[in-house]
Amino acid sequence: GAVVSQHPSRVICKSGTSVKIECRSLDFQATTMFWYRQFPKQSLMLMATSNEGSKATYEQGVEKDKFLINHASLTLSTLTVTSAHPEDSSFYICSARDLRQGESYEQYFGPGTRLTVT
Amino acid sequence: TQLLEQSPQFLSIQEGENLTVYCNSSSVFSSLQWYRQEPGEGPVLLVTVVTGGEVKKLKRLTFQFGDARKDSSLHITAAQPGDTGLYLCAGVGSGTYKYIFGTGTRLKVLA
Repeated sequence: GAVVSQHPSRVICKSGTSVKIECRSLDFQATTMFWYRQFPKQSLMLMATSNEGSKATYEQGVEKDKFLINHASLTLSTLTVTSAHPEDSSFYICSARDLRQGESYEQYFGPGTRLTVT
Repeated sequence: TQLLEQSPQFLSIQEGENLTVYCNSSSVFSSLQWYRQEPGEGPVLLVTVVTGGEVKKLKRLTFQFGDARKDSSLHITAAQPGDTGLYLCAGVGSGTYKYIFGTGTRLKVLA
């Protein structure tokens, strides 16, 4: 149980275009999903918290107009990188909290999406 | 700003050796999680510790949460090549479900 998928796993796009990444909880419902970014050989940095049916909460320094997050259902959150630039190239990972967890703090992570902007 | 420092950053050991990874902060956490991540994949949860002084064992891995809930350690006994990966601790502050990830420890176990 507690499986999270991401699509696509890898994407290459040209500078100036937009890319959408999907994060799905496959066998549970998630009121809260999180989006992280990871540069090579570094740890994960939280970008934003996505709550179903409401606006995402962005961490300091993350441009909300550049990284659009939509959490339209209890099993799907999307991250759209708008007007991508080479410096946006990174490994993007989502995670989700199971609705049934109550006060448990555990997050289940997707396999990540490797974005390369040329 | 809450920070989680892990040490060592890198560790290369021979199969069969023991090792300990530390995760330290000046802040108190409601809980602390340990994850292992392999290249090109998402982190996989190993354990959650919640109570100060708590010790949990997972086969050859032993996790401890500090009494003051500011630090944690991961001890691996008789390391195997399959233990190779990036080990990450993640703390949760009070009143939130957000993670603060540690700086990471990259472990390589040589056969």
